[in-house]
Amino acid sequence: DQQVKQNSPSLSVQEGRISILNCDYTNSMFDYFLWYKKYPAEGPTFLISISSIKDKNEDGRFTVFLNKSAKHLSLHIVPSQPGDSAVYFCAASAGAQKLVFGQGTRLTINP
Amino acid sequence: EPEVTQTPSHQVTQMGQEVILRCVPISNHLYFYWYRQILGQKVEFLVSFYNNEISEKSEIFDDQFSVERPDGSNFTLKIRSTKLEDSAMYFCASIAGKNTEAFFGQGTRLTVV
Repeated sequence: DQQVKQNSPSLSVQEGRISILNCDYTNSMFDYFLWYKKYPAEGPTFLISISSIKDKNEDGRFTVFLNKSAKHLSLHIVPSQPGDSAVYFCAASAGAQKLVFGQGTRLTINP
Repeated sequence: EPEVTQTPSHQVTQMGQEVILRCVPISNHLYFYWYRQILGQKVEFLVSFYNNEISEKSEIFDDQFSVERPDGSNFTLKIRSTKLEDSAMYFCASIAGKNTEAFFGQGTRLTVV
């Protein structure tokens, strides 16, 4: 039951360029979407979120886009920095219910 | 900055033993969660807790698992009789309210031998 999918297990981007991470979901009850960054042996760190009433949210170098009709969201990081190298998880929830996570995308920023 | 704290950071236990994983959520948060991540896999929901009771649990959260909020600050996950397949990183999380970001602890690595 993969309600949240990240189809790219890995992504490699050159430093300074844009990183685009994608996520698809199937449950139309989801109304809140989040991106987390995770290093090995650490807990997920919140990056940015978006409510289903919006289609874009921006915070510094990070922008999340939501396309409700396509049930798709994406995270843009620009410019990408070496410290951005980590595993990125997309997550979705309905109200205060559990977060449903995607499988993660390992982002590597090359100098 | 407020944070969720978990102890211990690493626990090794023999199969069949009981373990208790401890968490101190952010103080003004109302909803509490346990998740786990088996090595190389995605983060999976175990249980949510609100108003001193379980609000939702996954099929992973069977009779061997229990949660408690014994006082105003701690939130614990107990596994009564551990199995090898319980080996994973266990994460505690809390949120202030609906449609707010969940803050995660650093995790407890549980190794069952």
